Amino acid sequence: DIQMTQSPSTLSASVGDRVTITCRASQSVSNWLAWYQQKPGKAPKLLIYKASSLESGVPSRFSGSGSGTEFTLTISSLQPDDFATYYCQQYDTYSYTFGQGTKLEIK
Amino acid sequence: QVQLVESGGGVVQPGRSLRLSCAASGFTFSSYAMHWVRQAPGKGLEWVAIISSDGSKKYYADSVKGRITISRDDSKNTVYLQMNSLRAEDTAVYYCARGQYGGVTTVWGQGTLVTVSS
Repeated sequence: DIQMTQSPSTLSASVGDRVTITCRASQSVSNWLAWYQQKPGKAPKLLIYKASSLESGVPSRFSGSGSGTEFTLTISSLQPDDFATYYCQQYDTYSYTFGQGTKLEIK
Repeated sequence: QVQLVESGGGVVQPGRSLRLSCAASGFTFSSYAMHWVRQAPGKGLEWVAIISSDGSKKYYADSVKGRITISRDDSKNTVYLQMNSLRAEDTAVYYCARGQYGGVTTVWGQGTLVTVSS
């Protein structure tokens, strides 16, 4: 199975900061990579699909890039609502593996 | 509005079985693949299973293969997860989710908690 590794596991930042989360795949997933945001006690929410396509209704401060084995999620200017846990997920193969998550905390 | 509502969770003894249901509304259910994803308490997301829109293709995570079966009834707009030989490590919130864009999940239910304990 394809393994997905996110870094960092925890990130402390302030409102207004630009932050980047990295996701690495153990083998190429082309651009079949999605990013989700999850808040405590809630279901995940899709942010980005196909590595860089913004889901409808998601603010444009979120962006994704990458292909093959290395991907990034960038939040251009953190807002209070953005403090949450973020997951990447590959869907290149029928195993749909998630990364372990990155918790974005308020500094 | 588009909605998924899971049910069927609860406390079950190790080795026993449980069937989860997920009722869909607000969209053409038969046009979409459906996923189950779980999350153990305090842990990350783990994809469990997917069924294609026509029900002909089913795929499972290695951790549940042989013990879990996904199915759907388009007449009831419902997807099911039959879980057998349950283990303590199956304890989790189970979410159903609508598949789209070739494999991502765009709509999620609120989840149902399954606790496997004696």
